[in-house]
Amino acid sequence: IAGITQAPTSQILAAGRRMTLRCTQDMRHNAMYWYRQDLGLGLRLIHYSNTAGTTGKGEVPDGYSVSRANTDDFPLTLASAVPSQTSVYFCASSKGENQPQHFGDGTRLSIL
Amino acid sequence: GQNIDQPTEMTATEGAIVQINCTYQTSGFNGLFWYQQHAGEAPTFLSYNVLDGLEEKGRFSSFLSRSKGYSYLLLKELQMKDSASYLCAPMDSNYQLIWGAGTKLIIKP
Repeated sequence: IAGITQAPTSQILAAGRRMTLRCTQDMRHNAMYWYRQDLGLGLRLIHYSNTAGTTGKGEVPDGYSVSRANTDDFPLTLASAVPSQTSVYFCASSKGENQPQHFGDGTRLSIL
Repeated sequence: GQNIDQPTEMTATEGAIVQINCTYQTSGFNGLFWYQQHAGEAPTFLSYNVLDGLEEKGRFSSFLSRSKGYSYLLLKELQMKDSASYLCAPMDSNYQLIWGAGTKLIIKP
């Protein structure tokens, strides 16, 4: 079934540890995005990529990095996790910049 | 600055009609999206408006007035499964979606 897959589904992590959230899509979408969603707030864009080989910073990029080596994969790395990064992380993709975004099921990350 | 304003919560009765309003201010505008998000799940795309007027898609319709910075989502023949949060998301001049906190819709029998 075509779609977007995130892993892990959930994770508890000690502060200071490094963590990579994985995101893979098989829809051949050009654009990919990482968001975090916190209770009572709207989705906030962390990083995005309009096409393989390029990335850009969103609204809340500090403490996070991404790479886009190919069309399908867009991993998000927390170099040294802090408790304020506790959140639900959603990866999304779209055919183009003004096309609907399709979301993965999310990763629930708790930093202790 | 960029801002989205939606009611935090609404309640409606099964079988009825409900209108969820959204006002927005963005730097530039490249259309407006509505998404549905059930509790604990990912957002799913409902509708997209880029021109003024009404777009109808089954039980759901979405309206846009660019001059007023206003949109609404209309849900007809409400079903219990429509209980969810509804997210209004205009797209700015950089093609980035600006997300509101959403409207939690509670459907009562």
